[in-house]
Amino acid sequence: SAVISQKPSRDICQRGTSLTIQCQVDSQVTMMFWYRQQPGQSLTLIATANQGSEATYESGFVIDKFPISRPNLTFSTLTVSNMSPEDSSIYLCSVLRAYEQYFGPGTRLTVT
Amino acid sequence: DQQVKQNSPSLSVQEGRISILNCDYTNSMFDYFLWYKKYPAEGPTFLISISSIKDKNEDGRFTVFLNKSAKHLSLHIVPSQPGDSAVYFCAARKDGQNFVFGPGTRLSVLP
Repeated sequence: SAVISQKPSRDICQRGTSLTIQCQVDSQVTMMFWYRQQPGQSLTLIATANQGSEATYESGFVIDKFPISRPNLTFSTLTVSNMSPEDSSIYLCSVLRAYEQYFGPGTRLTVT
Repeated sequence: DQQVKQNSPSLSVQEGRISILNCDYTNSMFDYFLWYKKYPAEGPTFLISISSIKDKNEDGRFTVFLNKSAKHLSLHIVPSQPGDSAVYFCAARKDGQNFVFGPGTRLSVLP
């Protein structure tokens, strides 16, 4: 398994501001993923973050809105920029280890 | 187009009975499948996996069955316990690609 922590666990933010979410893994991993789970919906992949290269974004997600950093093999950040109420969601980081994918506890974001 | 479907948004089962959660997929190239359990305010927890070379994998009370010809997998929980009440997601992937998740089924185990 993998131990993954995220900060903050939850936040309430005002429209137009930005929030940076941190993800820390207990050991080195090549690939880290950022997901979003909007209310009542499934997990949607935002981007894949590899250390030393630019993140790869899925269709519908862009770097200007969701900039990602991956400074080393155990840490990544996701920023939700210029937030609107539609960004209210749970944001999850995830890693792949031994063919299985493990998730952090999530960050519950509410935008007012 | 949803590649992974869980057609039952919710399921209620009596404690001690069997829970059967179903998942259908459309991409015949998918070769690895996972089930996750998610409690409110927590991240998904990996439960059990199965690769396309098998048709069954068992871990304690949890068994996953894969029917490749029908592109269908199911998760059996027996006996069901109140602590099993959660949302269950299935996920599938083709080798070298990212997992695709189903929309989830909310299981309620009634005491």
